[in-house]
Amino acid sequence: DSGVTQTPKHLITATGQRVTLRCSPRSGDLSVYWYQQSLDQGLQFLIQYYNGEERAKGNILERFSAQQFPDLHSELNLSSLELGDSALYFCASSVAGTGVLLYNEQFFGPGTRLTVL
Amino acid sequence: GEDVEQSLFLSVREGDSSVINCTYTDSSSTYLYWYKQEPGAGLQLLTYIFSNMDMKQDQRLTVLLNKKDKHLSLRIADTQTGDSAIYFCAEKEDTGRRALTFGSGTRLQVQP
Repeated sequence: DSGVTQTPKHLITATGQRVTLRCSPRSGDLSVYWYQQSLDQGLQFLIQYYNGEERAKGNILERFSAQQFPDLHSELNLSSLELGDSALYFCASSVAGTGVLLYNEQFFGPGTRLTVL
Repeated sequence: GEDVEQSLFLSVREGDSSVINCTYTDSSSTYLYWYKQEPGAGLQLLTYIFSNMDMKQDQRLTVLLNKKDKHLSLRIADTQTGDSAIYFCAEKEDTGRRALTFGSGTRLQVQP
């Protein structure tokens, strides 16, 4: 158990809908990262938040957004869903965002499997 | 841009050594990682190596880094059936962005 929790574990929805995925980082971790794992794109970085602020963006679609709340949990919002958004979405957390800690292990949650029908 | 490549599949017999290879393109990578993903589970960090090291050993795991060729390998000694999983190599660049770039993953199948 990494200490990172994600809910829900599975989500089935229809095209055009909107969903919210939730992540609680490990106690004490300030950074949250979202990754998407799909069969055709592999494991891709989407976005990072550090202590409530967006820190880095990867291959995140404009239909997707995220935020990190004062209690450090994070939500990933996916809207106007398409069949191709079906994937496993991972959240990871780490202590630092940038700066002096070069070795900054990311701990991964179990993922949310999203199926868009 | 960053690109990390791995072979897709490796099959070995129990007790043999497994060697999983990875190539990367970003010369600014400071840390390189090996993660393990078991079916239905998240990613578990197995080991990492700093870019100024050539080798790192951790129990049954040996990581070799050839920085000139940008080649990374993970050797698992005495491979067990419980080692069957997908193994991802990942790099982290030495910039403000701390996210990881992952390879496509190598599925290791260990036959009894």
